[in-house]
Amino acid sequence: EVKLVESGGGLVQPGRSLKLSCAASGFSFNDYWMGWVRQAPGKGLEWIGEINQDSSTINYTPSLKDKFTISRDNAQNTLYLQMSKLGSEDTAIYYCARGNYGSYDYWGQGVMVTVSS
Amino acid sequence: DIRMTQSPASLSASLGETVNIECLASEDIYSDLAWYQQKPGKSPQLLIYNANSLQNGVPSRFSGSGSGTQYSLKINSLQSEDVATYFCQQYNNYPLTFGSGTKLEIK
Repeated sequence: EVKLVESGGGLVQPGRSLKLSCAASGFSFNDYWMGWVRQAPGKGLEWIGEINQDSSTINYTPSLKDKFTISRDNAQNTLYLQMSKLGSEDTAIYYCARGNYGSYDYWGQGVMVTVSS
Repeated sequence: DIRMTQSPASLSASLGETVNIECLASEDIYSDLAWYQQKPGKSPQLLIYNANSLQNGVPSRFSGSGSGTQYSLKINSLQSEDVATYFCQQYNNYPLTFGSGTKLEIK
């Protein structure tokens, strides 16, 4: 069974950094692109970015490129999202998802990040 | 960026009815389009990819169609478990972009 479990969320002060993790199981992690998508409370889905199998290609949405960094550890079957200079606009549920030639066929349950003083 | 305009924003229909949700891309996306269903408090689930391919395990009452810039999701014989918000997503060009969502309720 494919499983994606995000962790590392919580309350963080404005301007600080936070690193999210996504533990994958039930499939061959190093065969797939992986992505991050977020959803602000009561809002729609916003694509953050994605990383290919060997980390040689990483794409970001332009507005987040200088704040967020996606990485992966294939030996640990884990995807990461490093977030810096966080602001209230970054308050959202963050999802990791498995790539399926551009779409995403499996999603984690999401992790909440709240940016507030 | 490719803009995805989804309509309607909300929709109320009766059980057993057929509903259609539309997605208009700001440029040709060559059928690189997915549809997702998000039930309240849950993560999105893939329904359709490549505009008209049904994801494994998705009921056949869901179907997708379209080409170029215009795409639609059709739900036949609406069931109570179809109450959800539906999103389209293009993956023809970076950055990947989503429609704003259609909230489907039962009348």
